Amino acid sequence: DTGVSQDPRHKITKRGQNVTFRCDPISEHNRLYWYRQTLGQGPEFLTYFQNEAQLEKSRLLSDRFSAERPKGSFSTLEIQRTEQGDSAMYLCASSFHRGSNTGELFFGEGSRLTVL
Amino acid sequence: GNSVTQMEGPVTLSEEAFLTINCTYTATGYPSLFWYVQYPGEGLQLLLKATKADDKGSNKGFEATYRKETTSFHLEKGSVQVSDSAVYFCALSPNYGGATNKLIFGTGTLLAVQP
Repeated sequence: DTGVSQDPRHKITKRGQNVTFRCDPISEHNRLYWYRQTLGQGPEFLTYFQNEAQLEKSRLLSDRFSAERPKGSFSTLEIQRTEQGDSAMYLCASSFHRGSNTGELFFGEGSRLTVL
Repeated sequence: GNSVTQMEGPVTLSEEAFLTINCTYTATGYPSLFWYVQYPGEGLQLLLKATKADDKGSNKGFEATYRKETTSFHLEKGSVQVSDSAVYFCALSPNYGGATNKLIFGTGTLLAVQP
């Protein structure tokens, strides 16, 4: 399967712990996006990368959140000192961008975080 | 600012019924509009899109027309099937021409089709 894959699919943690999610995009895609989805809501944009450069971050991405894409391939999203309000589904998506055109976003199945 | 409002669900229909899911948007400039679908246990998938006013997006029997005068992008299907049961999200991208750097989603509408 060459779709977007995310790991782990589910994570339960205690408040105050750190968690890290990994996203492997479709191999030829140069853009990678993170979104967050809470129950009953649509996905909300967090950040995106073009290759290894982080080009935009949402105000939702507090200083406890850090995302990296060190080699322009996979990406990690780390949440430090988790809070109950961080409980959500974290979605990764990727696309191929050239010039002024960005292709379709392909989403992974998400990583569900539960903070107790 | 940019936002999307879509009708609340769940929407429950019998097989072969006509479907409409309403979506309206607020945006500056010339956004592109999308419908995404999420089937149970799967990731979000692009269903259709329209990048300028009066464009009609279509796929799998679903259609939506970009109406700038009413700021709407309602999703329609003439005859739904049980396999269409899913959550449908309306979304916009502030970028002209379909560039999808940042999508703004509605809250989603659950469709349940009964045999």
